[in-house]
Amino acid sequence: DSGVTQTPKHLITATGQRVTLRCSPRSGDLSVYWYQQSLDQGLQFLIHYYNGEERAKGNILERFSAQQFPDLHSELNLSSLELGDSALYFCASSPREGGHTEAFFGQGTRLTVV
Amino acid sequence: AQSVTQLDSHVSVSEGTPVLLRCNYSSSYSPSLFWYVQHPNKGLQLLLKYTSAATLVKGINGFEAEFKKSETSFHLTKPSAHMSDAAEYFCVVSSMEYGNKLVFGAGTILRVKS
Repeated sequence: DSGVTQTPKHLITATGQRVTLRCSPRSGDLSVYWYQQSLDQGLQFLIHYYNGEERAKGNILERFSAQQFPDLHSELNLSSLELGDSALYFCASSPREGGHTEAFFGQGTRLTVV
Repeated sequence: AQSVTQLDSHVSVSEGTPVLLRCNYSSSYSPSLFWYVQHPNKGLQLLLKYTSAATLVKGINGFEAEFKKSETSFHLTKPSAHMSDAAEYFCVVSSMEYGNKLVFGAGTILRVKS
């Protein structure tokens, strides 16, 4: 158990809908990362928050947004969902802002858009 | 150039024989390198990490990797494969030029035959 908790584990929703994925980082970790894993794109970095502030953006669509709250949990919001958004979404946390430190991953949320 | 390249998408070995999963990286700065493992329908687990200390790094479950700067390689090895090693393995680089986030290779699926 990595100490990172993601909810829900599975999510099935229709195209055009909006969903929220939740992540609770390891106790004491200030950084939260979101990754998308799909068969065709592999593991893609989406966004990084550190202590409530956005630090880096990767291949994140405009329809997607995220935030990190004062208690350090994070939410990834996906809207106007398309079939191609079906993927495994991982959250990871680490104690530092970035750079040369490993991240600890949650079990992921499997999103299926039908 | 690709930041991290895993040279084999699939590797198949017999139980009890050595494992070699190859990884080459690209970085103008001193990188940190990691290997993660993902078992089917599971999250990502850190196997080992290199962060500019000893070039031979020992990880969990008998895995080790050697950082070779001259060859820009960080290959993962294990002397004797076990059935439970069957999984997907990701080589990961973190470096200033990539914004200090974790950049994942495409993954290598390891199959272990009995």
